[in-house]
Amino acid sequence: DSGVTQTPKHLITATGQRVTLRCSPRSGDLSVYWYQQSLDQGLQFLIQYYNGEERAKGNILERFSAQQFPDLHSELNLSSLELGDSALYFCASSGASTYNEQFFGPGTRLTVL
Amino acid sequence: SQKIEQNSEALNIQEGKTATLTCNYTNYSPAYLQWYRQDPGRGPVFLLLIRENEKEKRKERLKVTFDTTLKQSLFHITASQPADSATYLCALGDYKLSFGAGTTVTVRA
Repeated sequence: DSGVTQTPKHLITATGQRVTLRCSPRSGDLSVYWYQQSLDQGLQFLIQYYNGEERAKGNILERFSAQQFPDLHSELNLSSLELGDSALYFCASSGASTYNEQFFGPGTRLTVL
Repeated sequence: SQKIEQNSEALNIQEGKTATLTCNYTNYSPAYLQWYRQDPGRGPVFLLLIRENEKEKRKERLKVTFDTTLKQSLFHITASQPADSATYLCALGDYKLSFGAGTTVTVRA
């Protein structure tokens, strides 16, 4: 158990809908990262927050947004969903280490029908 | 553009043998490189990190080497066990980790 929690575990929704994925980092970790993993794209970095501020952005679509709240939990919002958004979404957190080893949550499996 | 390539998608080995996985990268100058293990449908688990000034790092039956001249890391699982069966990912970057596609290792009893 990494100490990172994600809810929900599974989400099934329709095209055009909007969903929110939630992540709670390990106790004391200030950084939260979001990744998307699909069969054809592998594990892709989406966005990072550090202590409430956006720190780094990957290939995150404009339809996707995220935020980190004062209690350090984070939410990833996905809107106008398309079939191609079906994937596993992972949240990870890291602490104060210089080398940024990351601890991943169990993931949310999103299925868009 | 930056690229991370891991050798063959799948590696099948006999229990007790050593599995050797390769991670090659281009257009990176990493200060360190990480290896993760991922089981089907689960999140990656951090295994080892090796810095650019370290040639080799060990953790139990795992060994990682890092050659910045060749732009390559080798990951070894010695005395492999069926429980080592998983996908192994190498990763580069600072905050924005970029992952290789992974090598799936299957250890036969």
